[in-house]
Amino acid sequence: RKEVEQDPGPFNVPEGATVAFNCTYSNSASQSFFWYRQDCRKEPKLLMSVYSSGNEDGRFTAQLNRASQYISLLIRDSKLSDSATYLCVVRLIKAAGNKLTFGGGTRVLVKP
Amino acid sequence: NAGVMQNPRHLVRRRGQEARLRCSPMKGHSHVYWYRQLPEEGLKFMVYLQKENIIDESGMPKERFSAEFPKEGPSILRIQQVVRGDSAAYFCASSTGQGTTGELFFGEGSRLTVL
Repeated sequence: RKEVEQDPGPFNVPEGATVAFNCTYSNSASQSFFWYRQDCRKEPKLLMSVYSSGNEDGRFTAQLNRASQYISLLIRDSKLSDSATYLCVVRLIKAAGNKLTFGGGTRVLVKP
Repeated sequence: NAGVMQNPRHLVRRRGQEARLRCSPMKGHSHVYWYRQLPEEGLKFMVYLQKENIIDESGMPKERFSAEFPKEGPSILRIQQVVRGDSAAYFCASSTGQGTTGELFFGEGSRLTVL
């Protein structure tokens, strides 16, 4: 079983709509959680951290459910520029430094 | 203020040749991570280095792959006797040090194609 699993998509989203997707992680010793964004053939970049109480950054809302071991990302009022692959990322308690474990990514395509 | 610099951006090798990928971390960063991304797949951790030390190499294949981060100069990921399955994007990332900020700053990647 993969450590971090995501629905690969693609999620085809009309511009202005809301889209949400989850990610599950297998290791209960996962300590920290993040969403990264990766554009086609580009490097990943941190989108936002995910906190236990849930957190919002503009149109993006992230939630963490430790009991069920999943995190979610919701994008409101989707823009064409939101088209990208969203990577679910976890850091284990015993991980050295900032060693991060990445999911396979969920592809989102926002269309006019 | 340059970010993480990787070179070459694209590298073509024939089977059996050697590939050397270089990574200069962001200024002020002393921790370097290498990840590999196969086509249509996620990033897989390979190795974590600090200056002159390998901290975690749990993701490195046992043979043909090696990494170093010397006191002076960039970090080097070396692949000997490349095979077609080594074709991938190799991303280097850096950070300031241990912590839980979760932010790794990635370079633009080196895309290796093995013919």
